Amino acid sequence: DQQVKQNSPSLSVQEGRISILNCDYSNSMFDYFLWYKKYPAEGPTFLISISSIKDKNEDGRFTVFLNKSAKHLSLHIVPSQPGDSAVYFCAARYGGATNKLIFGTGTLLAVQP
Amino acid sequence: GAGVSQSPSNKVTEKGKDVELRCDPISGHTALYWYRQSLGQGLEFLIYFQGNSAPDKSGLPSDRFSAERTGGSVSTLTIQRTQQEDSAVYLCASSPGGHFNQPQHFGDGTRLSIL
Repeated sequence: DQQVKQNSPSLSVQEGRISILNCDYSNSMFDYFLWYKKYPAEGPTFLISISSIKDKNEDGRFTVFLNKSAKHLSLHIVPSQPGDSAVYFCAARYGGATNKLIFGTGTLLAVQP
Repeated sequence: GAGVSQSPSNKVTEKGKDVELRCDPISGHTALYWYRQSLGQGLEFLIYFQGNSAPDKSGLPSDRFSAERTGGSVSTLTIQRTQQEDSAVYLCASSPGGHFNQPQHFGDGTRLSIL
């Protein structure tokens, strides 16, 4: 049973436009959500996060939105740049004593020049 | 170095052999995690160390997998009697503390191939 789902395996966007990556989760015990970016042959790089007590967090071109009632998370990248082309992973953390992350399967973003 | 360091970067071995993977976390980080990524999959949690607390081993897939962390720093993940389904990228991450909203920072992983 996949608790964090990224239903779009890939997304293609024109340079300068908005990229919207989506993530759905099923466990209401998750209290912290993160987005990671991954290039081939490298480890995931932390991008942005949001606590479950917030509904929006912004950092430069990146904004994460959290809709707790819908158990839905999204990452907006504006404007998109060719260097943003990578695999993006959504991750969620259980509240309580454990700090382990549950990851989605990733979305490959291609930003076309 | 400033980041999480993992070695070796690549490991090819025969089915049935034991392998050891090493992780050097970011200096000062008390929390250390192991994940693996199989082909086409997301990252799968394996084990979590936080300071001197008992590790969370709930993600280890079988008793062939074990990990230790010596002196609160370097960690070694050991896979005994490797099987072909163990082929994956094994990723280590660290964070400043286990129970705060701090992101985990990843190394570049060890790509393990079992022939």
